[in-house]
Amino acid sequence: NAGVTQTPKFRILKIGQSMTLQCAQDMNHNYMYWYRQDPGMGLKLIYYSVGAGITDKGEVPNGYNVSRSTTEDFPLRLELAAPSQTSVYFCASSYSRQTYGYTFGSGTRLTVV
Amino acid sequence: GQNIDQPTEMTATEGAIVQINCTYQTSGFNGLFWYQQHAGEAPTFLSYNVLDGLEEKGRFSSFLSRSKGYSYLLLKELQMKDSASYLCAVYGSVSGGYNKLIFGAGTRLAVHP
Repeated sequence: NAGVTQTPKFRILKIGQSMTLQCAQDMNHNYMYWYRQDPGMGLKLIYYSVGAGITDKGEVPNGYNVSRSTTEDFPLRLELAAPSQTSVYFCASSYSRQTYGYTFGSGTRLTVV
Repeated sequence: GQNIDQPTEMTATEGAIVQINCTYQTSGFNGLFWYQQHAGEAPTFLSYNVLDGLEEKGRFSSFLSRSKGYSYLLLKELQMKDSASYLCAVYGSVSGGYNKLIFGAGTRLAVHP
């Protein structure tokens, strides 16, 4: 049982490049989330999804896009990367009942130069 | 809106007890979580409170007062491995929409021999 799997673990992008951060979960969770964490800071919610075909913006959505075509996958797209997007990105998933908490992936460390 | 405050750093001695406080102001509240995050790793679930009172789980306890917008995490019999960041997160809806976790900036705890 893999839980939440994120790829890649590390990536360096040049300004203006695009990339997709992959996230997959095998727990049949309906809810999935993307957070970013800047050094020494807490997690900021980028986008989230409550089921296949349903997504919504979080606190810091600008510069990102998401899609949720299946229950398992929730990719995060960066278009025209900027240095301000240098961060660690965490994907998480949960049951609709919140008492179980979120399960986080191991993170993607992204640097934009 | 949402505002979650917790101390930036704390230090404690191995074997001692430490209390990490969290105050919050939210437009919608459906529970409070505490997560532990070791440097370079993903957050891991510690506790969940939705009703007032104390929840105990081994060496860790968490308290909630909804009327005061206040929670604390109590760590007993501190061990060196407890050196980590502790994240307070409120589960609720912001300006309507679905419930989601909003995180505080985290408290970095350093445990010394």
